[in-house]
Amino acid sequence: DVKVTQSSRYLVKRTGEKVFLECVQDMDHENMFWYRQDPGLGLRLIYFSYDVKMKEKGDIPEGYSVSREKKERFSLILESASTNQTSMYLCASRHFYGGEETQYFGPGTRLLVL
Amino acid sequence: SQQGEEDPQALSIQEGENATMNCSYKTSINNLQWYRQNSGRGLVHLILIRSNEREKHSGRLRVTLDTSKKSSSLLITASRAADTASYFCATDATGANNLFFGTGTRLTVIP
Repeated sequence: DVKVTQSSRYLVKRTGEKVFLECVQDMDHENMFWYRQDPGLGLRLIYFSYDVKMKEKGDIPEGYSVSREKKERFSLILESASTNQTSMYLCASRHFYGGEETQYFGPGTRLLVL
Repeated sequence: SQQGEEDPQALSIQEGENATMNCSYKTSINNLQWYRQNSGRGLVHLILIRSNEREKHSGRLRVTLDTSKKSSSLLITASRAADTASYFCATDATGANNLFFGTGTRLTVIP
């Protein structure tokens, strides 16, 4: 089974802090994603990565950056955390089979910025 | 937005009843997928239906797709308390690089 893990389930940070969220997948998937999930807004794509050192902006990249130094690891960075970044953050990796994709999600990190 | 929209936003039923959730989307798609999310957890892939398919079954799940109406439905038969979760549709839109997720339906199954 595919396993996607995230470094923290819950995180509390202060405004202005630099925050690192780590995601690791064990299936050698090339593509990885970071979403945030807020009530009433569903999942919104922040960034995704096609391969090592490659990244693409999603729908809401402002205030975030990412790092993909190794294939299995995709990090989301909040350069200077703000209260409006309080949210649930979900990482996913993508599997292609027969031209179709399925995404495998980590358990999520619930971030509170005070 | 290319996001799908689920309807209803919330659904509460008795154990043993069937639950039906609907999803509408805006663009042409390669396939449509349904995911489940237990409270405070990540999403889990349930079922995928291709654009040339009209109906698909998996256990107690039945998915239909009407590309002319740009809509899909997920039916869970003989619901159980353990089916309590949020359910999301996701579209693999033609020419897109990633999936677009809807806002979800919160299903509560009362024992």
